[in-house]
Amino acid sequence: GAGVSQSPRYKVAKRGQDVALRCDPISGHVSLFWYQQALGQGPEFLTYFQNEAQLDKSGLPSDRFFAERPEGSVSTLKIQRTQQEDSAVYLCASSSVGDRQPLTKNYEQYFGPGTRLTVT
Amino acid sequence: KNQVEQSPQSLIILEGKNCTLQCNYTVSPFSNLRWYKQDTGRGPVSLTIMTFSENTKSNGRYTATLDADTKQSSLHITASQLSDSASYICVVSSGGYNKLIFGAGTRLAVHP
Repeated sequence: GAGVSQSPRYKVAKRGQDVALRCDPISGHVSLFWYQQALGQGPEFLTYFQNEAQLDKSGLPSDRFFAERPEGSVSTLKIQRTQQEDSAVYLCASSSVGDRQPLTKNYEQYFGPGTRLTVT
Repeated sequence: KNQVEQSPQSLIILEGKNCTLQCNYTVSPFSNLRWYKQDTGRGPVSLTIMTFSENTKSNGRYTATLDADTKQSSLHITASQLSDSASYICVVSSGGYNKLIFGAGTRLAVHP
């Protein structure tokens, strides 16, 4: 399909394990975002990539969270030594435009289905 | 602190009825305001996007309004259908790369 895909869809990890979540954005999309969505809440920004450059990682909750996009397409969000509070849905979104766009320019962020992480 | 607040938290209506969801925001700088629909287990899907100069925008049975002076928005759903059952999230975009700040959502249930 042509949409954003994420894998795995569901992940159960024991406390202390490392996990890696994958996002395949829409082909050619410049921007890629990661969000964390706790149960019953709206998503919260984690980090932003423009191509391979990570321009904003201000939302990453701790240094256990690491994201990369080495070739400017697929991205991986890694969580080390998972804790129970890391349990959430992790959403990835991509868009066709990048930084320095006029603030009034409207564009879509297309979301993937998310990865539901449960830490036991 | 940038915030987006939505009300009500949840809503139950009968099929065919109309409803209005509310959103208040304190976000700076403001780029645009969006309403998303999120079905259970799926990613959010955009319904409308409005800049500060737009007062209203429609997408089928969905009509969004924006008052940039009072920093309020609403989403009106007309002639609701069972498939409208979902969470509706108000989102304000901020900054040069359109960082999205999400509300907690209104969970809508449409009953037959």
